[in-house]
Amino acid sequence: SQQGEEDPQALSIQEGENATMNCSYKTSINNLQWYRQNSGRGLVHLILIRSNEREKHSGRLRVTLDTSKKSSSLLITASRAADTASYFCATDARQVKTSYDKVIFGPGTSLSVIP
Amino acid sequence: DAGVIQSPRHEVTEMGQEVTLRCKPISGHDYLFWYRQTMMRGLELLIYFNNNVPIDDSGMPEDRFSAKMPNASFSTLKIQPSEPRDSAVYFCASSPDRNTGELFFGEGSRLTVL
Repeated sequence: SQQGEEDPQALSIQEGENATMNCSYKTSINNLQWYRQNSGRGLVHLILIRSNEREKHSGRLRVTLDTSKKSSSLLITASRAADTASYFCATDARQVKTSYDKVIFGPGTSLSVIP
Repeated sequence: DAGVIQSPRHEVTEMGQEVTLRCKPISGHDYLFWYRQTMMRGLELLIYFNNNVPIDDSGMPEDRFSAKMPNASFSTLKIQPSEPRDSAVYFCASSPDRNTGELFFGEGSRLTVL
């Protein structure tokens, strides 16, 4: 089963507005990452937040992590049409079944920014 | 750096045929991952290698799937025989260090099995 679940599945906003996407997960993690995927392309790493961090910024991106609630959020401020893409959270965690660390992706949020 | 290079970008084949997907990771990256992406199941980790050695192949769906990494600059994912349900986009990713966690993805190989 997938570790991370994004919410909402799809989001449509006007250019200039902020976009917030949430991710919930089930087990303890080493870190949580956010990726972006443009249509027909590979995934691109945006930001990584470690389990002992609570907030991280990168340009117009702000990520928060609440390990007590097992949730994270990605905020994109002042959105642009070029931000239109799918966004995935990925949890890096030790798998109980295999004892190996694995990076597992959620189903993603499809963001549309309307010019 | 050219990034992770995958080939072919598109493959259309008939059921029962053998399919080989290829990946060249970023030079110096010790970890290589194969993922499969479908609308129904999202991104699934199939297998990953560390220093050319397979570490976890628990995501490989069936014996029809096999992956090799004969050297640090090349990996293959083979499906034999292929079936229509194998149709998906297959991504290769590499990482310099598991402690950093960041994965660098290729552009993917879109496989269609008729």
